[in-house]
Amino acid sequence: KQEVTQIPAALSVPEGENLVLNCSFTDSAIYNLQWFRQDPGKGLTSLLLIQSSQREQTSGRLNASLDKSSGRSTLYIAASQPGDSATYLCAPLGAGNMLTFGGGTRLMVKP
Amino acid sequence: EAQVTQNPRYLITVTGKKLTVTCSQNMNHEYMSWYRQDPGLGLRQIYYSMNVEVTDKGDVPEGYKVSRKEKRNFPLILESPSPNQTSLYFCASSSFGRGTDTQYFGPGTRLTVL
Repeated sequence: KQEVTQIPAALSVPEGENLVLNCSFTDSAIYNLQWFRQDPGKGLTSLLLIQSSQREQTSGRLNASLDKSSGRSTLYIAASQPGDSATYLCAPLGAGNMLTFGGGTRLMVKP
Repeated sequence: EAQVTQNPRYLITVTGKKLTVTCSQNMNHEYMSWYRQDPGLGLRQIYYSMNVEVTDKGDVPEGYKVSRKEKRNFPLILESPSPNQTSLYFCASSSFGRGTDTQYFGPGTRLTVL
């Protein structure tokens, strides 16, 4: 059974810092890996999707990498802003089209 | 606008009173699923459906039922809700293309069972 761990669980940084959020998973037989953002009490917004054959994906200030063989993914946020404050979730997609979620990293960016 | 909608968004009910949470998507997606989110436990899949009339259990199916009679709709049914089903519920959908397809999530339904 897939298990997903995200480190750190919480992070508080001043505005402008570059950040790295880590995700590890136990079963490398995945189709893709998605990073989501969740604001308090709200739904999930997909940020990036990395296919299993890809190594990284970029969208604006966000860059996600995937090392499937070692079961790791990282989300890099450049020049963080207060509006980036949210919980970030990683989720590899496995058999049955099922996403398995990590516990998330709760990010606070202070002005 | 491409979206997944859920209704109701908030619901307070009592133990044993049957309820249905609706989910609808307008993207012609084959795949739909339900998750629940609980503090400390994260998001866990309840049921999923690969297409019309095809459903299967996820990680935590006990106490829930689903049906998929139309491609766009995937209701979640609690026949006899209990307090341990108090949670935040999300519906999601995607094309079943393996590897290339983003899963889209609804806004969530916050259910409280007294």
